[in-house]
Amino acid sequence: EVKLLESGGGSVQPGGSLRLSCVASGFTFNYYAMDWVRQAPGKGLEWVSGIGGDGARTYYAGSVKGRSTISRDNSKNTLYLEMNSLRAEDTAVYYCARKTDDWGAIDIWGQGTMVTVSP
Amino acid sequence: QSVVTQPPTASGTPGQRVTISCSGSSSNIGSSIVNWYQQLPGTAPKLLIYNDTQRPSGVPDRFSGSKSGTSASVAISGLQSEDEADYYCAVWDDSLQGWLFGGGTKLTVL
Repeated sequence: EVKLLESGGGSVQPGGSLRLSCVASGFTFNYYAMDWVRQAPGKGLEWVSGIGGDGARTYYAGSVKGRSTISRDNSKNTLYLEMNSLRAEDTAVYYCARKTDDWGAIDIWGQGTMVTVSP
Repeated sequence: QSVVTQPPTASGTPGQRVTISCSGSSSNIGSSIVNWYQQLPGTAPKLLIYNDTQRPSGVPDRFSGSKSGTSASVAISGLQSEDEADYYCAVWDDSLQGWLFGGGTKLTVL
């Protein structure tokens, strides 16, 4: 069964840092580009960042560029999102997501991990 | 700032046909494929339509996607109560070099 399992969410103060992880199983991880997508409470979906299968290409939304780093360890089937200088507006459920190809759709979503930024 | 716009709400009665629109610009919908996602309450999103018009296996043929110029839409025919969900379009934006989601449309089955 294809699965994505996120972890690393929690409560953090403004200005703090967090590293989210996503462990993939059931498919050949390095074949697939991956994304992070977030959803603030009661709000819509927002694409955060993406990375190619080999990790060479990375992309960021303007809202997190310069504050976040996406990476992957294909030997551990794990995707990461390191977030720094966190703000209240970063509060959201963060979903790990598998892409059909680099420019394609998200075909598999994780269950999400909640990040709360508050004093 | 590039924006992709959806109506915030849509509704229909069981058996009806409902269409949800997604309006963008030449830097996104006008030049890239559009994908659609369905999010049932309390769950992660699910891929509904990809590459403008394609249905993943397991998605009923009641769901169909279309695109013309800088607008796209998803149509749901034979509306059922289990279709009540939030629907999002998503498209790559060449100017922003990133993916844009529409604001989402909450579909209510009356």
